Amino acid sequence: EDQVTQSPEALRLQEGESSSLNCSYTVSGLRGLFWYRQDPGKGPEFLFTLYSAGEEKEKERLKATLTKKESFLHITAPKPEDSATYLCAAVRSGGYQKVTFGTGTKLQVIP
Amino acid sequence: EAQVTQNPRYLITVTGKKLTVTCSQNMNHEYMSWYRQDPGLGLRQIYYSMNVEVTDKGDVPEGYKVSRKEKRNFPLILESPSPNQTSLYFCASSLSGGVPQHFGDGTRLSIL
Repeated sequence: EDQVTQSPEALRLQEGESSSLNCSYTVSGLRGLFWYRQDPGKGPEFLFTLYSAGEEKEKERLKATLTKKESFLHITAPKPEDSATYLCAAVRSGGYQKVTFGTGTKLQVIP
Repeated sequence: EAQVTQNPRYLITVTGKKLTVTCSQNMNHEYMSWYRQDPGLGLRQIYYSMNVEVTDKGDVPEGYKVSRKEKRNFPLILESPSPNQTSLYFCASSLSGGVPQHFGDGTRLSIL
């Protein structure tokens, strides 16, 4: 059974304090690993797609990386507006790409 | 503006009273799907559709129905809602493949 586990469940950072969120996965035939941001009262917003180990993607203060067993979302010098829940999802290859979501990391950045 | 629109946003109803949650997208996407989000369980797929008249079950389809008569619309139907279907529901669409690219803002359902 495909599994995606995110840690920590919650993270509180001071503004400017860099850190990383973890997403470990057990998926047969990984097609891709996806990161989303979810704000309260909103649907998830697509951030990154990673397809192969060693791949990195960046967007502003966020950088996503991928290994064969996990993905990291690095947040450099976060600002309060980065506060949100970050979700990762693993996609299995196949005719229809089955998606398995993690339960998310709730990030709070304090001014 | 690319949008996935769900209605209603909030609904409180009673056990057994049929309800429909509508979903519409304006991006001409082929793939649409429904998810429910529950604390500690993450997003779980209910049904998905790869194109008009093509639908299939996701991980938690029991108690739900869907239809895809037009490319832009993908309604979720609860024929006889029960309290265990109280949840936050999201509709999503994507151009290709099963990975959702655009989500609606959610429908919070409470079944009493």
